[in-house]
Amino acid sequence: GAVVSQHPSWVICKSGTSVKIECRSLDFQATTMFWYRQFPKQSLMLMATSNEGSKATYEQGVEKDKFLINHASLTLSTLTVTSAHPEDSSFYICSARPRTGDTRNQPQHFGDGTRLSIL
Amino acid sequence: AQKITQTQPGMFVQEKEAVTLDCTYDTSDPSYGLFWYKQPSSGEMIFLIYQGSYDQQNATEGRYSLNFQKARKSANLVISASQLGDSAMYFCAMRGILTGANSKLTFGKGITLSVRP
Repeated sequence: GAVVSQHPSWVICKSGTSVKIECRSLDFQATTMFWYRQFPKQSLMLMATSNEGSKATYEQGVEKDKFLINHASLTLSTLTVTSAHPEDSSFYICSARPRTGDTRNQPQHFGDGTRLSIL
Repeated sequence: AQKITQTQPGMFVQEKEAVTLDCTYDTSDPSYGLFWYKQPSSGEMIFLIYQGSYDQQNATEGRYSLNFQKARKSANLVISASQLGDSAMYFCAMRGILTGANSKLTFGKGITLSVRP
């Protein structure tokens, strides 16, 4: 089945540090990847839609300068949390949809998520 | 605009029994897809089942089946023969089909299922 790899799984770092999270589709190409944030016991909140070779589309209220997204290839998207602060602590999870001819019923496949803790 | 509603409080089920997780939705898209995902405590999102709005039959995948009632705008997940490993959070989600590859999944707030031995 389609596999999405997300790295790292855990990050603990000091306030002010920038943190990069990678999301790779291992056995399929993904023109579009999605980045979500999730607080404990809550639903996934879409942060941005990442398109290969173009700028990401951010959801309302998400700071594009704080959360930098790069989608340089059909199998890799990165999220960089710049100058992270304790309020940025959260679970971040990426998702990708296979780039096939008929995408109508293609489920999004998710990475295992990254737990980010800013001290 | 799309909206998914999951209003059940935490659900409990006895091992080996069946359980139904409710999901209602609202959308202006004429064609859409409905998805269920499972999220165990470890955090990964596991795709369970898909139902297209124009599919004639209710979807089934092993122990999972979807009770799709289009007129009532409901897409309830039925898990048969519950197992301890089914304990997790379950999310219902939908996506408009005609809005292209960038169309976003809209998630419900999720339901926590606990399976008792």
